[in-house]
Amino acid sequence: GESVGLHLPTLSVQEGDNSIINCAYSNSASDYFIWYKQESGKGPQFIIDIRSNMDKRQGQRVTVLLNKTVKHLSLQIAATQPGDSAVYFCAEAYGSSNTGKLIFGQGTTLQVKP
Amino acid sequence: KAGVTQTPRYLIKTRGQQVTLSCSPISGHRSVSWYQQTPGQGLQFLFEYFSETQRNKGNFPGRFSGRQFSNSRSEMNVSTLELGDSALYLCASSLYGQNYNEQFFGPGTRLTVL
Repeated sequence: GESVGLHLPTLSVQEGDNSIINCAYSNSASDYFIWYKQESGKGPQFIIDIRSNMDKRQGQRVTVLLNKTVKHLSLQIAATQPGDSAVYFCAEAYGSSNTGKLIFGQGTTLQVKP
Repeated sequence: KAGVTQTPRYLIKTRGQQVTLSCSPISGHRSVSWYQQTPGQGLQFLFEYFSETQRNKGNFPGRFSGRQFSNSRSEMNVSTLELGDSALYLCASSLYGQNYNEQFFGPGTRLTVL
C-alpha cells in the first residue's frame, strides 16, 4: 500500500546550523503534504504544508520543497534552535478532497546540540 | 480558543477488557480523526467522523470503533483489548476534514494494556 517514508531516523545538528529533513512518498496522486513537529508528551503540531501545484513554500524559518518527479519532500529549518528538538513527521493527504485521512511517515528525530 | 482535548490522558487496562476514549474538538470543527501511534508502526489512521457519520476508515480490526455526537465530540472504543493495543491514541480536528484543512491534534491518551 501507499506509504510516506523518511530517509533518516535521527538528525543531529549544531545550534545555529540549518537542518534538512527528507521524506519520500509513494502515492503520485497525493496532492497535499504537511510537516508536523511532535515534542515529547504532546500531539503533533502543524509546521507547514504544501499543495502539489507548488514546489516550494516558506514560513517563518522553515521551507518545504516538493519534487513531484522523484516524489520527494523536504523540510528545511534555518538557524536551528534547541527548541526545534523534536520528532518531525511528513504526511500526505490521501484520497479525495473530502477526507481527513493523513498517511504519516515514520518520523525523524532532530537533536540540536548547544 | 481552546485546543483539542482528550480524556483520559493515561489509562491502564488488562487484556480482554474494553476501553472508551473521548475527544473534544476545537469549537466549530466538525471533523474528528483518530490515529494510533506506536514506536513500531508510527502514526496510523483509524477513522474519521464528520457530522456524526464515519467518512473514512483505516485498516484496523472491528474491535476498534468510534462515534461522533451532535456537538462534534467523538469517542473511540476498543473491545477485547490485546497487548498490541498499547499505544498513544491521538485525535485531530479540522473544520470540514477536507484536503487543505489544517488538522489540530490533541495531546493523546496513553493506553497501556497489561
